[in-house]
Amino acid sequence: DAGVIQSPRHEVTEMGQEVTLRCKPISGHDYLFWYRQTMMRGLELLIYFNNNVPIDDSGMPEDRFSAKMPNASFSTLKIQPSEPRDSAVYFCASSKTGGASYNEQFFGPGTRLTVL
Amino acid sequence: GDSVTQMEGPVTLSEEAFLTINCTYTATGYPSLFWYVQYPGEGLQLLLKATKADDKGSNKGFEATYRKETTSFHLEKGSVQVSDSAVYFCALKDTGGFKTIFGAGTRLFVKA
Repeated sequence: DAGVIQSPRHEVTEMGQEVTLRCKPISGHDYLFWYRQTMMRGLELLIYFNNNVPIDDSGMPEDRFSAKMPNASFSTLKIQPSEPRDSAVYFCASSKTGGASYNEQFFGPGTRLTVL
Repeated sequence: GDSVTQMEGPVTLSEEAFLTINCTYTATGYPSLFWYVQYPGEGLQLLLKATKADDKGSNKGFEATYRKETTSFHLEKGSVQVSDSAVYFCALKDTGGFKTIFGAGTRLFVKA
């Protein structure tokens, strides 16, 4: 299996621009999570989906952030407009209900976002 | 709510030294406990897990025992290597819950 795939790996943009981060979960996984990691705040859960439906978006910092999962193999996290304080590494992770790996989250390599 | 507290880093050790990273948790139910590791420039990956009291998780020479009486899940390794340098996260997932609660992470540096 290819694992969780994220794109782009690095993104540099200017304040005010729209940013879209992409994630392809592991095939067969029914949960998808978006996290943000910074030195100051550590690892923060932003939102998670079950069977493509958003379950908890209480971690989304503000209305500038939105996430979608149009099908089981694709999700996006969008920031519009972006601000310098959004600079962070954004991780996507997926997990599967049941099976030997039940409860384990599989993380992608992350997208390093820099907003100038 | 559920929470995880782990020792602050960084932890700096010489190669072949003994490692302990402390982790305690608060949970209302009967959680599963995990240690994840993050190598530089990568995402987190599962190192080991334990799903019930007194279970011992182990992998790559690392061990942790689920201690319900002390609500702890301390990570240990008898002899660390330079390649173990990474950030280690303690985490829990409560029964019936869908989220994993992560600790703040402990950075480990191992010197040759």
